[in-house]
Amino acid sequence: DAKTTQPPSMDCAEGRAANLPCNHSTISGNEYVYWYRQIHSQGPQYIIHGLKNNETNEMASLIITEDRKSSTLILPHATLRDTAVYYCIVRVDVSGNTPLVFGKGTRLSVIA
Amino acid sequence: NAGVTQTPKFQVLKTGQSMTLQCAQDMNHEYMSWYRQDPGMGLRLIHYSVGAGITDQGEVPNGYNVSRSTTEDFPLRLLSAAPSQTSVYFCASSPVQRRGYTFGSGTRLTVV
Repeated sequence: DAKTTQPPSMDCAEGRAANLPCNHSTISGNEYVYWYRQIHSQGPQYIIHGLKNNETNEMASLIITEDRKSSTLILPHATLRDTAVYYCIVRVDVSGNTPLVFGKGTRLSVIA
Repeated sequence: NAGVTQTPKFQVLKTGQSMTLQCAQDMNHEYMSWYRQDPGMGLRLIHYSVGAGITDQGEVPNGYNVSRSTTEDFPLRLLSAAPSQTSVYFCASSPVQRRGYTFGSGTRLTVV
């Protein structure tokens, strides 16, 4: 799987949009971008994933650049409960043995 | 659905003891994985399985065994516990389709 680069930490004011960047400059055409988060010591939680089109669900939006070398996860109205470590993962997603490989992620602190 | 259930939640072992960490899912997911997370670190893949009877090694497999005799269960065996295996262990499962993994709440293991 391609490697990703994320800033180690970010702050965001409560109620504002949190924009978390991820670089994946060596991503292949058949690799998807996945985002997970881990709140304190809980198990990671799936947020969203995409291939090349922008995606939105009830939790977040994922913006992938046209060249697919980077992406941004957007939490539109961050709350204190969004404080967590956010992981950006690229993964070949076919019917095969492609488990998730986690990097170090970005620690997002939402501040009141 | 109970999701991914891990037992026990906490365990203390003496060096040299063996034990099995249990993981069960009731979502009929094909993919299952085991991760460990050391304090302040990211998750590292131990073993994974793409279906009953099929397992493979991840990043840090030494000292651990797995088997997958049913779709529902994916136990992780520590053969001879060492203090270096003190960690939080997470089990995860995913369907074959392009969706996210569901993680258990973790087993906190201390080896003294």
